[in-house]
Amino acid sequence: GAVVSQHPSWVICKSGTSVKIECRSLDFQATTMFWYRQFPKQSLMLMATSNEGSKATYEQGVEKDKFLINHASLTLSTLTVTSAHPEDSSFYICSARDWWSGYGYTFGSGTRLTVV
Amino acid sequence: QKEVEQDPGPLSVPEGAIVSLNCTYSNSAFQYFMWYRQYSRKGPELLMYTYSSGNKEDGRFTAQVDKSSKYISLFIRDSQPSDSATYLCASYSGGGADGLTFGKGTHLIIQP
Repeated sequence: GAVVSQHPSWVICKSGTSVKIECRSLDFQATTMFWYRQFPKQSLMLMATSNEGSKATYEQGVEKDKFLINHASLTLSTLTVTSAHPEDSSFYICSARDWWSGYGYTFGSGTRLTVV
Repeated sequence: QKEVEQDPGPLSVPEGAIVSLNCTYSNSAFQYFMWYRQYSRKGPELLMYTYSSGNKEDGRFTAQVDKSSKYISLFIRDSQPSDSATYLCASYSGGGADGLTFGKGTHLIIQP
């Protein structure tokens, strides 16, 4: 079945630094990728949607200059948290969708970001 | 009001019991309904996927959707301790660029 690889699985960074999270579709071409954030005991909240070769579409309240999303190829999307602050500490999860396989929402294993 | 409502639990049942998990939603445009299982600090894993109203069965799992009442259910038969996890319902309207709208998740505990 479809597999989405997400790295790193956890990262600790200092306030003010930037962190990049990668999301790769391993055995299918992901025309659309989604980035979610999940706080403890909360639901997954959609942050942004990216289509290969296009600018990402951000959900209301998500700062596009803080959460930079790049979807340069059909198998790779990256989320960069810029100038990270402790309140950005969260669990970030990507999801990839393959238009041609129908349903196709496959999730990565998530990245736990801790900003100290 | 959140578009998908789900009781966060925890829900604790003895091994072998039938588990019933439920969600309600408010967006009439939702056409696709999913149930995911999530273990601590892991990504969600798809369990069941249903289009529109009806039932779908897969092994010990049965998903039900009633669009008239905007009610989504997941039943787990012969529950096992390994079923202990957080179960998330999710929906979307069907547009290709639509992300999923998730419920809060129900934390399920199966007692041996």
